[in-house]
Parts: sequence; structure tokens; C-alpha cells
Amino acid sequence: AQKVTQAQTEISVVEKEDVTLDCVYETRDTTYYLFWYKQPPSGELVFLIRRNSFDEQNEISGRYSWNFQKSTSSFNFTITASQVVDSAVYFCALSEARLGTYKYIFGTGTRLKVLA
Amino acid sequence: DAGVTQSPTHLIKTRGQQVTLRCSPKSGHDTVSWYQQALGQGPQFIFQYYEEEERQRGNFPDRFSGHQFPNYSSELNVNALLLGDSALYLCASSPRRGKGGFPYEQYFGPGTRLTVT
Repeated sequence: AQKVTQAQTEISVVEKEDVTLDCVYETRDTTYYLFWYKQPPSGELVFLIRRNSFDEQNEISGRYSWNFQKSTSSFNFTITASQVVDSAVYFCALSEARLGTYKYIFGTGTRLKVLA
Repeated sequence: DAGVTQSPTHLIKTRGQQVTLRCSPKSGHDTVSWYQQALGQGPQFIFQYYEEEERQRGNFPDRFSGHQFPNYSSELNVNALLLGDSALYLCASSPRRGKGGFPYEQYFGPGTRLTVT
């Protein structure tokens, strides 16, 4: 069965602190895709990153970085020098190919509060 | 370039009624997926459409049905509404396949907030 676990329900940090959001996934497939989305109070999910299972290279984009480790089935997301605008709910998602379609399986999300 | 649009924004219905939600995908996208997001939860996959057919379905009862039109827009229909159907309904679109056959990321609309009383 496929599953995504985001054990951190809510995290509060003070502005400029670094924060890491954890994501652990379960899948039997050898080919799969992982995503992170941000959901601000407006409700619209905003795409942040996609990672393919065969590419374990970590990625950095500005203040955001992602650490993908197949050995521990984890795909963690770090925000460096957090800002108030980073406050949102962050979702990790897993996608597998079934009959040529790609449905997303989401975790329950981590609510990040960045305090000024 | 317009993103994914959904209508209506909010909707209040009574138990037992039927509801239709609408979605227009982002320009250039031919695949539409629908998700249900209960309060405090992650989105749950309902179904996915491309080429006007339902291609994959999540664990939702037959009360949930959909349609995709030739212009790729889509509708989600829910019959015999239950209180538990109250949620944010999200539509997502993507090209069917990216380069090399990998899936593109899905782009989400702002959602329709359905309240069943």
C-alpha cells in the first residue's frame, strides 16, 4: 500500500530560524515520484518541487532545499532563514503510475507558523 | 495565461441534495483530477479524467461521478449529499505526460468549499 506520513502536525518558529519538515513514504513500486506543495490560507495548493525515485540528488532553490533518501524512504524539506510569508500548510505527496495515470497520495500536512 | 479555475467558490446544500462543481484546466493541459480535502486533512484523490473518460478512481462511492468535455473542462457531481461530504473540493490539471513519459506536476485550482447542512 502507498502511504505518506507527515508526523509533524504543527511547527512554530521565529523568523530567520531554519526549519525542516519531515516526510516519510511507503511504496512497493521501484518507480515513483515525490512532490511538495504549499497551501497558504487562500487554499490553493502551490507546487514546490518534484523528485523522481531514480534521482537521489538533493536540490536547493533559494531558501528551500530538499533531502531525498531512498534508504530511509524520506523526502524532507528545509526552509533556511524562515520568513513570515512561509507560514502555510505544507503537503508531501507520492505519485505512482497505474494504467498510465498518476494519482497523488498526500500526507496530512504540516502547518508551519513563522512568528515575527 | 489563466491557471486552473473552479466554480462556484462556495456552496451550501442540504442533505440528500445533488451538487455539480466545475473546473477549467490550465491552458495546454488535458488531464483533470479531482480531490476532496476535509478540514485539517490532506487532499484525497477522487478520480482522474483524460480523453473524456474516467481513467482512475480513488476510494469514493458511486455517488461521486464526473465528466470531461471536449475542451478538457470537467464537472464533479455528488448525489444524495451527506454531512460528511462537507469539504474543500480541489481540481488539478496537468499534461498527461511530460518529457520521457514522466508525469508533470499537477496544478491546483482554488477549490470549491461545499457545506452540507
